Amino acid sequence: SQKIEQNSEALNIQEGKTATLTCNYTNYSPAYLQWYRQDPGRGPVFLLLIRENEKEKRKERLKVTFDTTLKQSLFHITASQPADSATYLCALPGSGNTGKLIFGQGTTLQVKP
Amino acid sequence: GAVVSQHPSRVICKSGTSVKIECRSLDFQATTMFWYRQFPKQSLMLMATSNEGSKATYEQGVEKDKFLINHASLTLSTLTVTSAHPEDSSFYICSARLSGSYNSPLHFGNGTRLTVT
Repeated sequence: SQKIEQNSEALNIQEGKTATLTCNYTNYSPAYLQWYRQDPGRGPVFLLLIRENEKEKRKERLKVTFDTTLKQSLFHITASQPADSATYLCALPGSGNTGKLIFGQGTTLQVKP
Repeated sequence: GAVVSQHPSRVICKSGTSVKIECRSLDFQATTMFWYRQFPKQSLMLMATSNEGSKATYEQGVEKDKFLINHASLTLSTLTVTSAHPEDSSFYICSARLSGSYNSPLHFGNGTRLTVT
């Protein structure tokens, strides 16, 4: 069955450093992958989408890579700030042409000042 | 600003009662909405796909008679948790797309925290 794995351990980094989060998937050949941010007690907020034919996508301090051979996406936040502290979720399209998204368990990032 | 509104944000109910959660798309029409559930420190689990004017499509393992979904208009989907039990206590979140394109982002409501006592 389709499986998405994110590092369940929290990632603690110092302000100003680059945070790198990993999303691995198996039994999948997704046409795209999305990343979301979720703050406690809130719904997720969309950040970036990357398609299978794209190796890299950038948006301000965010960068996403997509390696369909490794079945992995990396999510980078450069010059991290305490306000970046949140849980980051990767999401892939579910089976069948229904538009549903399946989410990984998320990685919590804590940026310390 | 928010494009998906969810109500209520919190609800506490007694075991055996039913609770209705509303999800509204603001200023756009959503023929499809998705309902997720999230337990503490776990990921969002897709419960069902709500389709305007037709029956919802439930994910494997989700009881359709317990989680009733109604999508009677293009801007409103409701999830009713019937005969709620403490194990139904969770964070329920709805979502919709602004665009019909399947790879467009999902916009989420701010969730409903359900506590069943």
